[in-house]
Amino acid sequence: AQSVAQPEDQVNVAEGNPLTVKCTYSVSGNPYLFWYVQYPNRGLQFLLKYITGDNLVKGSYGFEAEFNKSQTSFHLKKPSALVSDSALYFCAVRERSGGYNKLIFGAGTRLAVHP
Amino acid sequence: GAVVSQHPSRVICKSGTSVKIECRSLDFQATTMFWYRQFPKQSLMLMATSNEGSKATYEQGVEKDKFLINHASLTLSTLTVTSAHPEDSSFYICSASPLAGASNTGELFFGEGSRLTVL
Repeated sequence: AQSVAQPEDQVNVAEGNPLTVKCTYSVSGNPYLFWYVQYPNRGLQFLLKYITGDNLVKGSYGFEAEFNKSQTSFHLKKPSALVSDSALYFCAVRERSGGYNKLIFGAGTRLAVHP
Repeated sequence: GAVVSQHPSRVICKSGTSVKIECRSLDFQATTMFWYRQFPKQSLMLMATSNEGSKATYEQGVEKDKFLINHASLTLSTLTVTSAHPEDSSFYICSASPLAGASNTGELFFGEGSRLTVL
């Protein structure tokens, strides 16, 4: 079975500093990896995905993620954090089951950006 | 981008009543919709996979008679919490996957969620 792990419950960053939210994966075959963000009492918003190609994927709101096959990681990054980036971030991996695709989510990492 | 609408966003009901939550894909057809449950400060728990025109596939430990799912068309799935009790209070989120094809990489589009409070 596919799985992802987010080792940090919370990440604290000062505004303007770079941020990294970690994710590692365990899959059989080629991984399809995703990052989503959730604001309070809202659904999830898609940030970016890695399917194939360049290991550095650029997404919404200035976020990017680096796919590292040797380390089985897909860390989310942003060069300069904003207070408005404070939210809950989920890493996910696609699992194909019963003829359809479903996403398996990590536990989530709460990002707190301080002024 | 693809839009998924979920309604109602908040619902409060008395114990023993049933509540229906709707999930609609507004600008694409969804062969598959997923229903998740999220507890406070926790990740999303996949409850079931809803396929248009067929029975839903429930994850282990989810009571199918408690959480009725109907996927009547390629744009609408409903979740009915039957005989709701306080322990059913939670945040329920639906998501949709476009029709399968070369462009379908597994990305899901999410509704805004429905917060159910059972008194």
